[in-house]
Amino acid sequence: DTEVTQTPKHLVMGMTNKKSLKCEQHMGHRAMYWYKQKAKKPPELMFVYSYEKLSINESVPSRFSPECPNSSLLNLHLHALQPEDSALYLCASSPWTGNEKLFFGSGTQLSVL
Amino acid sequence: GESVGLHLPTLSVQEGDNSIINCAYSNSASDYFIWYKQESGKGPQFIIDIRSNMDKRQGQRVTVLLNKTVKHLSLQIAATQPGDSAVYFCAENIGNDAGNMLTFGGGTRLMVKP
Repeated sequence: DTEVTQTPKHLVMGMTNKKSLKCEQHMGHRAMYWYKQKAKKPPELMFVYSYEKLSINESVPSRFSPECPNSSLLNLHLHALQPEDSALYLCASSPWTGNEKLFFGSGTQLSVL
Repeated sequence: GESVGLHLPTLSVQEGDNSIINCAYSNSASDYFIWYKQESGKGPQFIIDIRSNMDKRQGQRVTVLLNKTVKHLSLQIAATQPGDSAVYFCAENIGNDAGNMLTFGGGTRLMVKP
């Protein structure tokens, strides 16, 4: 299994809602990532988990809350989002931290109304 | 801050021709570079990578060239096919114990004309 699976594929939420994005990989990778991608722009790093511990937070607002329950799962909890948070949210994993290629999921297309 | 960028936002080629997508980077500390392909509605898909101790690497129909002197990276696609139509991103990586710091360039859209 060489896939990173993200659910849901599409999500529409209001600014007062609480929702969660989920990501799963079964490649035994020990590093997992959340990226945000606006339309026609490159992905931007949000969070890095290394061995289930948060190792990098790229100054992301607290309305985004990551969670890594185990080495295969990564969640992104969303609360009180703004319309400008609408974007494609990509999960990725890599075997280790350091210089290794990242495997990306297909993303969750989020619309905040 | 230092960043990765691309020279051409859109490249249109005839099917069967070779394609060359260029990328400039400015962070001299970067020691690992990756090309990703992103089709509409999908996540970035790994194409090929190269470490800074190399200047050329070949894959199936693709070649990556790295010129550290001028901080330039290119992706060559041989015999371009309609299925190659996508946005291509170069990315530089400064790996450390905290995690891969993968920074993407702006992207180039490749359009293949039949």
